[in-house]
Amino acid sequence: KNQVEQSPQSLIILEGKNCTLQCNYTVSPFSNLRWYKQDTGRGPVSLTIMTFSENTKSNGRYTATLDADTKQSSLHITASQLSDSASYICVVREFSGGYNKLIFGAGTRLAVHP
Amino acid sequence: GAVVSQHPSRVICKSGTSVKIECRSLDFQATTMFWYRQFPKQSLMLMATSNEGSKATYEQGVEKDKFLINHASLTLSTLTVTSAHPEDSSFYICSATEPHPHLAGGGQETQYFGPGTRLLVL
Repeated sequence: KNQVEQSPQSLIILEGKNCTLQCNYTVSPFSNLRWYKQDTGRGPVSLTIMTFSENTKSNGRYTATLDADTKQSSLHITASQLSDSASYICVVREFSGGYNKLIFGAGTRLAVHP
Repeated sequence: GAVVSQHPSRVICKSGTSVKIECRSLDFQATTMFWYRQFPKQSLMLMATSNEGSKATYEQGVEKDKFLINHASLTLSTLTVTSAHPEDSSFYICSATEPHPHLAGGGQETQYFGPGTRLLVL
């Protein structure tokens, strides 16, 4: 079972609308959680990174939240643009002493239509 | 921000041939680079961790003799897919961690990904 589950798998919204993507994880112990944006055929680009002590972090129109108690995170996109069409990947860093491993979610594929 | 490049961006080769993919950190030195493989509509899967000056650490199930990794310098790591077969066709992505100026191995470093290399084996 994947330790990082994302929902929905895919999402279609109209330009200008808001949306929220979900990420649930079971990774423990946990170091930090990151959200990446991956355009088709490109490498992922970091949007936000949060440690367990942070509840929210913003990057322009992207706002990530984290509840370390319930092991849930969300990524809220405000006033969506056509260029927001991409896969959004939740990545949790597993902390295990000197070896930190990234656990990737399968991603949510977002399509923004005009 | 830090930039990681990959070359080539896409390659088509015949079954049985070897293919080399380069990963470079352009404006920082990366003692550690990572190689991932991504199949369509799936998440990135870590293949190996490449350490400058030492042998790579491979994930379970990844054949070290098939996927040769060389981290010759602090800015260059190469992945060679030997005797490629159609099932090796995938999107290969490298990443590098920019060292934190004050913390060593604190886990807060940003991991920068390359643009990926699309490999198609015929």
